[in-house]
Amino acid sequence: AQSVTQLGSHVSVSEGALVLLRCNYSSSVPPYLFWYVQYPNQGLQLLLKYTSAATLVKGINGFEAEFKKSETSFHLTKPSAHMSDAAEYFCAVSDSTGNQFYFGTGTSLTVIP
Amino acid sequence: GAGVSQSPRYKVAKRGQDVALRCDPISGHVSLFWYQQALGQGPEFLTYFQNEAQLDKSGLPSDRFFAERPEGSVSTLKIQRTQQEDSAVYLCASSRRSSGRSTDTQYFGPGTRLTVL
Repeated sequence: AQSVTQLGSHVSVSEGALVLLRCNYSSSVPPYLFWYVQYPNQGLQLLLKYTSAATLVKGINGFEAEFKKSETSFHLTKPSAHMSDAAEYFCAVSDSTGNQFYFGTGTSLTVIP
Repeated sequence: GAGVSQSPRYKVAKRGQDVALRCDPISGHVSLFWYQQALGQGPEFLTYFQNEAQLDKSGLPSDRFFAERPEGSVSTLKIQRTQQEDSAVYLCASSRRSSGRSTDTQYFGPGTRLTVL
């Protein structure tokens, strides 16, 4: 069985500050891990994905995430928050087939000017 | 229009009515997925198609939910005798290749927000 847990349903950061969104996974098989962003009234957009290559994954808009097997974590970071980063962020895990994605409950990011 | 489109964007139904939600995937995409996203929750998998074949429908919550993709492109999610607990955003996603290639990106549509009164 696979699942992800996102710690913190709401995160607020000041513009220019570090963004850290937490995701821990549970998987009985080597996981594929994803971060998606959802802007209001829009579909999910892929930020980045881990597929067993490099453990540090760089995505779009300056985001990156590090796969840490020992901690079963895949936290999302960005060095300097921008107002346009305000959105809902979802972590997801799938198995090697990719037929089913299991999403976390999401973290709403607020950027304070 | 290069993205996944869904219609209608908003649907209000009275309890007991049937609804049909449409998904137009990206042209040429083999795989198509339906998800249900309740308020304040992450998307939950409903069903998956590879071309016209429905390979996994384990996420459909009841036999009132039915999905089809008869020609391997457009898909319709039908909900019969809607209940209030069916109120959610229904998301469709497509990816280029067939199963076994989970590195392929799923491209999501904007969703259909269903409200059952």
